[in-house]
Formats: sequence, structure tokens, C-alpha cells
Amino acid sequence: QKEVEQDPGPLSVPEGAIVSLNCTYSNSAFQYFMWYRQYSRKGPELLMYTYSSGNKEDGRFTAQVDKSSKYISLFIRDSQPSDSATYLCATYSSASKIIFGSGTRLSIRP
Amino acid sequence: DAGVIQSPRHEVTEMGQEVTLRCKPISGHNSLFWYRQTMMRGLELLIYFNNNVPIDDSGMPEDRFSAKMPNASFSTLKIQPSEPRDSAVYFCASSLRIRGATTYEQYFGPGTRLTVT
Repeated sequence: QKEVEQDPGPLSVPEGAIVSLNCTYSNSAFQYFMWYRQYSRKGPELLMYTYSSGNKEDGRFTAQVDKSSKYISLFIRDSQPSDSATYLCATYSSASKIIFGSGTRLSIRP
Repeated sequence: DAGVIQSPRHEVTEMGQEVTLRCKPISGHNSLFWYRQTMMRGLELLIYFNNNVPIDDSGMPEDRFSAKMPNASFSTLKIQPSEPRDSAVYFCASSLRIRGATTYEQYFGPGTRLTVT
């Protein structure tokens, strides 16, 4: 079993829709969770970062962690074509080592 | 500010040839990471350095892979001999590790797309 599992998609939604991206993880010791966004032919860039359980909001983006079910979510409100990218969930297995999910490819249709 | 710089951006080579990928981290950063990304396996950490010293190379797939960091501003990832299954996008990332901090944001370069025929 992979330590971080993510549905690869692809996911296609119309502009303005609410997008929900999800991951599960296996190790209850994981504390820090991240979402990276990767545009085509680019390197990943950190989008959001949360610690332990709860929600964190940044503009149209909300990251949610449910440690009881080992579930990580990213919600995008009022989705835009510029949000079309691959989204990777990630967690730290140690202070420096990041484990990434396989990524979900998201397409927002104008 | 210049981000992480990688060269070449694309590399096509024949099986058996030596391949060298290069990375210049962000100035002032003291940790450097090499990743490989494929459709099948996603983004995998190969090796990382702190203060130019290799800390964890458990992700290096085989002895054909080697990495060096001779100084704080340069690192190489070498594959010798290369094989078709090495075809992937190789990313370099850097971060600033501060004593007492729990986690460190990693900044990724644009990647090197390697094709081995």
C-alpha cells in the first residue's frame, strides 16, 4: 500500500464549479500536509500547507485534514481555467522528506 | 530572484550512454533534493543533501545512479549507463533548513525531461 494515495483523474469540470480533490494516507504519525500545483511542463509549487486536523482557507482554496479517517481534501471554489493543472497532495515522512501522491489532473472547461 | 535552475531542459540519449543532469539551487538554500517523476510511479525522492552532504540516498534506484554536490551552488545527477526505463522528468528542489523549524518549503526547478532510446 502506498503511503499517500490519490485518484489520478483526469477530472474535468465547467468554469465556476466547486472542485473537490482528495487523498488518503496510511501513517497516523503524519502531521503536516500539503497541496502542490503543477502546471504542464513545470515543476510543482506549494499551494497550501496545513498542520494536523482542521481547515485552512486561502482565497478560493480550502485545505481540509481529517486525521480520524486519514483523509486530505482540497476544495476550489469558483474554479477558473487557470486552475487547470495537476494537483499533488503530500506529507512529510521526516523533517526533510516529502511523500507525494500520484497527482490528480484537473481541467476547467471555459 | 532566480529560482532553481536545471540543465539541460531536455535530453535524448541512446541506451548505454552516460547522462549528467545539472542543478543550481536558490542562493542561500542549504538543502537540495533530486526527484524523478513518471506516470507510473509519480514523484519520487531519489536523494537529498544538507550543507552539501548526502543525507539519504535510499531512493536511488540502482548503482547506475550517482549524485554529487561539490559546493553549495551546484549539484549533478549522473546515470551511467542509461537505460530506456530511466526515461522520466528529473526535478531538483532546494530549501532553507533553519535550526528548530519543523518543516521546510521546497522550491522546485523546471525539470529535465530525459528520454533514453
